[in-house]
Amino acid sequence: GQNIDQPTEMTATEGAIVQINCTYQTSGFNGLFWYQQHAGEAPTFLSYNVLDGLEEKGRFSSFLSRSKGYSYLLLKELQMKDSASYLCAVRSAPYKAAGNKLTFGGGTRVLVKP
Amino acid sequence: DGGITQSPKYLFRKEGQNVTLSCEQNLNHDAMYWYRQDPGQGLRLIYYSQIVNDFQKGDIAEGYSVSREKKESFPLTVTSAQKNPTAFYLCASSIGGQGEAFFGQGTRLTVV
Repeated sequence: GQNIDQPTEMTATEGAIVQINCTYQTSGFNGLFWYQQHAGEAPTFLSYNVLDGLEEKGRFSSFLSRSKGYSYLLLKELQMKDSASYLCAVRSAPYKAAGNKLTFGGGTRVLVKP
Repeated sequence: DGGITQSPKYLFRKEGQNVTLSCEQNLNHDAMYWYRQDPGQGLRLIYYSQIVNDFQKGDIAEGYSVSREKKESFPLTVTSAQKNPTAFYLCASSIGGQGEAFFGQGTRLTVV
């Protein structure tokens, strides 16, 4: 089966940096995604890692270590509008006939305080 | 404009009735997914489909059914066998095994 773990909640100050960790166990790993979701809305894509290393996109960076089953999302220069839930998702192909499934963790609620 | 459309946005049904949620995409994506989200929780996979006329059960398929007769459409039926159907339902699509998934705006189903 699959297991994706991330912290439930984090609080940070405006202008600071926050790191959200995600650990996963899966077979047939085929990529890791980070999404942002504001309350009552659909998730929006932030970043994608399929190889080990760091991907940087403006204020957001994401890191992946496949051997450790570990990723993190780094949010820099936090703004009030960054208050949202951040979802870690793993794409995997557990067996060829099933194709790729996309499984989400429980999400991390980030609260940015002034 | 290309995108993925879910309708309706809000849906109310009486207990014991089946209800079908619509999901249509014009992105030419092969893969489509259905998720359920409960308040304060993450997304749980109900069903997914990689190609037309084929679909796989996700982690919480009991009480739900799907069809994939056309590439563009992946409707979800919430049956009376689903014990707690009230939730926010999200549909997504992606280019098979590559790239990110794009989400529809979701359908909030309330069963009374």
